[in-house]
Amino acid sequence: AQRVTQPEKLLSVFKGAPVELKCNYSYSGSPELFWYVQYSRQRLQLLLRHISRESIKGFTADLNKGETSFHLKKPFAQEEDSAMYYCALGGANNLFFGTGTRLTVIP
Amino acid sequence: DSGVTQTPKHLITATGQRVTLRCSPRSGDLSVYWYQQSLDQGLQFLIQYYNGEERAKGNILERFSAQQFPDLHSELNLSSLELGDSALYFCASARDYNSPLHFGNGTRLTVT
Repeated sequence: AQRVTQPEKLLSVFKGAPVELKCNYSYSGSPELFWYVQYSRQRLQLLLRHISRESIKGFTADLNKGETSFHLKKPFAQEEDSAMYYCALGGANNLFFGTGTRLTVIP
Repeated sequence: DSGVTQTPKHLITATGQRVTLRCSPRSGDLSVYWYQQSLDQGLQFLIQYYNGEERAKGNILERFSAQQFPDLHSELNLSSLELGDSALYFCASARDYNSPLHFGNGTRLTVT
């Protein structure tokens, strides 16, 4: 069965500190992994996807098939990174989301 | 602007009632997804349509139903509403199942 687990509901870090938002998945096939972000009063939007292997707003995420993880990382957190982050798994005809992690960057 | 339009923005209704939420996908997107977002559950996948046909079902209650019309807009029907149905309902559209989703602003439903 497809499942996405984000173990942390809330995460607070100080500005300039590294941040890692955890995501683990369960999927029998070849996964498509995404990170979506929802800033305050804005709609949910794509942050990055694993096949792009790109860095968006300083964030990166590496797919680790051995650990079935797709953690989101940024070396130096900024105040504007405060938002709700969702990890998502794309399977056949579907996109499953984790329950989300609310990141707060403390100035 | 992502181009996904949801109406209405807010809906307040009483228990036992029925409501219809509407979604217009981005131009060119054939796939429409419905999600329910509540405080405790996060984003819960409800149902997906592709070019008018149902493609996948998630945790959608029997009291809920949806359809996608020939012009590709979609409606989510919620009936026999209960207090626990109060949530934000999101629609998203995509070109195909591996394409990024583009979300609407959501419809906030309050059941009193």
